[in-house]
Amino acid sequence: QIQLVQSGPELKKPGESVKISCKASGYTFTDYAMHWVKQAPGKGLKWMGWINTYTGKPTYADDFKGRFVFSLEASASTANLQISNLKNEDTATYFCAYYDGTYYAFAYWGQGTLVTVSS
Amino acid sequence: DVVLTQTLVAQPVRLGDQASISCRSSQSLVHSDGHTYLEWYLQKPGQSPQLLIYEVSNRFSGVPNRFSGSGSGSDFTLKISRVEPEDLGVYYCFEGTHDPFTFGSGTKLEIK
Repeated sequence: QIQLVQSGPELKKPGESVKISCKASGYTFTDYAMHWVKQAPGKGLKWMGWINTYTGKPTYADDFKGRFVFSLEASASTANLQISNLKNEDTATYFCAYYDGTYYAFAYWGQGTLVTVSS
Repeated sequence: DVVLTQTLVAQPVRLGDQASISCRSSQSLVHSDGHTYLEWYLQKPGQSPQLLIYEVSNRFSGVPNRFSGSGSGSDFTLKISRVEPEDLGVYYCFEGTHDPFTFGSGTKLEIK
């Protein structure tokens, strides 16, 4: 069955960088896009953007341009999210979600990775 | 950018009653391909969101038929016919028609 397994929680200081991974299994990784979603503590969901898993081309929502990078390790069926120059407001749970081409929706989600930024 | 408005932050409901959650878009969600990419997700406490409804009214695999979606253009509704304890959580609408994609602010379904 389709699974997205994300890397574990991270505790970082302001100004540091973090890389979150999302390993996919159960389907052909390059068939469909991978999206990223942010959820700050106690807040709603915010769409960050997506990466074309076939070409590697990322697309970022405006609030996530600059310090955020989506990348792939296609041979490992893994999508990554890197955040540089971390700020306190980056403290959140980050989800990867697979955009299913049958349903044109996020049919499958990772379990989420909590990133805590604190001095 | 599209704004999805879920006017109710919280919806108190009795178990067994019907619940209705609305989502209004600042512009039509009809894509140029004719489809309307409006989805509903439920996020239970401590869990990842889960897909309930796609393209306005289609139930995802395994979703009970007490969940139904309706609407068109820019006005959408999710109905739960007989609320059960496992239905409690935060419901989000989401649009995948216009770039950037957008989530609604969420409506928490809670016990009255």
